[in-house]
Amino acid sequence: QVQLVESGGGLVTPGGSLRLACAASGFTFSDYYMSWIRQAPGKGLEWVSYITGSGSSTNYADSVRGRFTISRDNAKNSLFLQMNSLSAEDTAVYYCARRLDAFDVWGQGTMVTVSS
Amino acid sequence: SDMLTQPPSVSVAPGKTATISCGGNNIGSNSVHWFQQKPGQAPVLLIYYDSDRPSRIPERFSGSNSGNTATLTISRVEAGDEADYYCQVWDTTRDHSVFGTGTKVTVL
Repeated sequence: QVQLVESGGGLVTPGGSLRLACAASGFTFSDYYMSWIRQAPGKGLEWVSYITGSGSSTNYADSVRGRFTISRDNAKNSLFLQMNSLSAEDTAVYYCARRLDAFDVWGQGTMVTVSS
Repeated sequence: SDMLTQPPSVSVAPGKTATISCGGNNIGSNSVHWFQQKPGQAPVLLIYYDSDRPSRIPERFSGSNSGNTATLTISRVEAGDEADYYCQVWDTTRDHSVFGTGTKVTVL
């Protein structure tokens, strides 16, 4: 079945880096734009970034631009988010989501905690 | 659309109708999508393109969009509808997504 599974979350100190991964299955991965969306504890949803199906185009929320990099490996059906210069404000559950017109498939999320 | 405003909470009795608004400048010119999120779970697509429903979503959920307000309507509310609800649009000017502030629906 169609599925997205995130991994790579954990505890990181301020200023540190982390790389999240999202494994896709059950659909033709390269046909879809993909996004990362995050949710701070007790807060609402915040879109982070997207990447086109070919990987040729990306965009970022202002809050992460210049610090985060989205990428994908279509041969391995995988999506990535490289997060640098992390701060406490980046503490959140990070979801990957498939986007056709709307975000129609979501992973279960991976928790990132930035704390000393 | 830079910000989408939703009421923080809506309370409704079982069997009644809940309406959740999503306000934004000329939001009627955008396609609005709605998500349901239950505690500890990932969001689920509820409504797309203002009023379309994925096949697995009950007909009790409907949407509309005009002017400066999009609306999600839940008819014949059930206890299982208790959740957070978010609207979302794609801001084509900035080429990024915008989520509403979220509404917590409580079933009395």
